[in-house]
Amino acid sequence: KAGVTQTPRYLIKTRGQQVTLSCSPISGHRSVSWYQQTPGQGLQFLFEYFSETQRNKGNFPGRFSGRQFSNSRSEMNVSTLELGDSALYLCASSSRDQSYNEQFFGPGTRLTVL
Amino acid sequence: AQTVTQSQPEMSVQEAETVTLSCTYDTSESNYYLFWYKQPPSRQMILVIRQEAYKQQNATENRFSVNFQKAAKSFSLKISDSQLGDTAMYFCARRSNNDMRFGAGTRLTVKP
Repeated sequence: KAGVTQTPRYLIKTRGQQVTLSCSPISGHRSVSWYQQTPGQGLQFLFEYFSETQRNKGNFPGRFSGRQFSNSRSEMNVSTLELGDSALYLCASSSRDQSYNEQFFGPGTRLTVL
Repeated sequence: AQTVTQSQPEMSVQEAETVTLSCTYDTSESNYYLFWYKQPPSRQMILVIRQEAYKQQNATENRFSVNFQKAAKSFSLKISDSQLGDTAMYFCARRSNNDMRFGAGTRLTVKP
């Protein structure tokens, strides 16, 4: 099975712009979670989608939003970018058919805001 | 907030020796799952080992084993016969009621 893929791998944006990141989960996985990773804050949970519905949301401002499509692919959008949004954004997929709900991570999208 | 704490930001170990990474967590759920993830310098996060809270037997995966102390809410990772390829960030994580939390990570360096 192919792993979790994320596009693009690298992005450079300027303050005030908006950005959309994409995540394709492992085939058959219906749950997709997004995380922001920064050196200072570690791994912070953004949100989780399951069957096109947002199931959990972390403590991030409304500028951060997401959605999931019927094929389980997910997108994350950040509007009005700020310098502090520079981070590695990780996507993880899991199958809720498995009791562990183990998450499989993608390689991440490195976002730099100038 | 229900958190996961890794008290060792950085650790180092000599190749072939054993090292233990600490993790404590907080949860009000009776059943939950615990994980250790490894993130090598290439940045792809991979699962190292996992444990269900209601299983008393400590999980083992080859050179990796855990010491799960449920009453103390402690979940440490032991790496035996450390190899250079074990150099990475290690994250402890707890999943309960579909809520996943990660610790801040421990940077492990294996020295030749």
